[in-house]
Amino acid sequence: SQTIHQWPATLVQPVGSPLSLECTVEGTSNPNLYWYRQAAGRGLQLLFYSVGIGQISSEVPQNLSASRPQDRQFILSSKKLLLSDSGFYLCAWSIGTSDTQYFGPGTRLTVL
Amino acid sequence: QKEVEQNSGPLSVPEGAIASLNCTYSDRGSQSFFWYRQYSGKSPELIMSIYSNGDKEDGRFTAQLNKASQYVSLLIRDSQPSDSATYLCAVNIGGSWGKLQFGAGTQVVVTP
Repeated sequence: SQTIHQWPATLVQPVGSPLSLECTVEGTSNPNLYWYRQAAGRGLQLLFYSVGIGQISSEVPQNLSASRPQDRQFILSSKKLLLSDSGFYLCAWSIGTSDTQYFGPGTRLTVL
Repeated sequence: QKEVEQNSGPLSVPEGAIASLNCTYSDRGSQSFFWYRQYSGKSPELIMSIYSNGDKEDGRFTAQLNKASQYVSLLIRDSQPSDSATYLCAVNIGGSWGKLQFGAGTQVVVTP
């Protein structure tokens, strides 16, 4: 069966510091991968999605970037964090043409 | 802007009663619809998907879809305290890879 991991689980970072969040999927090949952000009391906002290695599409222009160095690894990065980057970051996966997405446990980021 | 609307709640439901959650969407071309449950501080977990007009039952959950009215609902029968959570409606608004638009969620509180 497939499992998805995210780390770290929680993170507190100062404004202006860099960020790297990692997501890995086990038990499947060539998954579609997604990064979402959920601000406090808000819905999920799609940030990036990837249908293959090196293929990244951005949904929201901002100071975040994503990379997919390996088939089952998806990384969310920032060079300089803003206060507004605080939130719950969720990685999700789907397979092939299925649009059913499954979420990882998430990373709670607080920018101070 | 393609939108997915849900009542934020909280929806207070006596234990053993039926909880009824509603979701409307703006994109007439949407074909796939999902309900997720999100406990406080946790990531969303898939409850069920629905693709055709009518009802789909899975245990105590029933999803109802009416594409003509652009309306999808979730019924929870025999509500239990463990059903207390936020329920997210998601709609595929385009793309074979599955671009999901999420509603902000309805908070359900089941009272003993």
